[in-house]
Amino acid sequence: SQQGEEDPQALSIQEGENATMNCSYKTSINNLQWYRQNSGRGLVHLILIRSNEREKHSGRLRVTLDTSKKSSSLLITASRAADTASYFCATGLNNAGNMLTFGGGTRLMVKP
Amino acid sequence: DTEVTQTPKHLVMGMTNKKSLKCEQHMGHRAMYWYKQKAKKPPELMFVYSYEKLSINESVPSRFSPECPNSSLLNLHLHALQPEDSALYLCASSQDLGRRGLNQPQHFGDGTRLSIL
Repeated sequence: SQQGEEDPQALSIQEGENATMNCSYKTSINNLQWYRQNSGRGLVHLILIRSNEREKHSGRLRVTLDTSKKSSSLLITASRAADTASYFCATGLNNAGNMLTFGGGTRLMVKP
Repeated sequence: DTEVTQTPKHLVMGMTNKKSLKCEQHMGHRAMYWYKQKAKKPPELMFVYSYEKLSINESVPSRFSPECPNSSLLNLHLHALQPEDSALYLCASSQDLGRRGLNQPQHFGDGTRLSIL
């Protein structure tokens, strides 16, 4: 069953704009990860934020984590057409090693 | 290019056929996973192997049979599948499970697109 819910389910923006995706989850976690999936391809790991971290950056990506609200956000700045993909959050649960539970995903379309 | 290689990329089979999906990684990872993904849905975990032993079976029907011949290879044997089994089957690997695997990402292959006639 899904641990996380993502919002919005679909997002369409113009190239150069910022894209923000949100993820909410239900139980205590060790970490939260974001993955990207291009159409017909596998998932690519983007960024991992640990439960004791609040914000993390990687290039044009910024991830925040609020464990009190059980939520995370992924911000992609200065989006490009190549960012068009589905984005999934995945939670690593306490006492579950490296097991991941994926959210429903956000389908992002960046129009040139 | 992905570091996890899956073959074949596409597979069409009848309900009475027997076929196998293959997955290979050479990153020295000791945990390997099979996921099933339907269109516009997130991946759903099927099986987890740790150190070549089956660690988790998420109540998957017996018509799916996993096998881990060695630390680099993971197979999924298919027999008597149903049309609803048509999906993208993804293989992934990670450094380890348990406490040693905490806070480690998973590396995915590009999947096998399976169609059951």
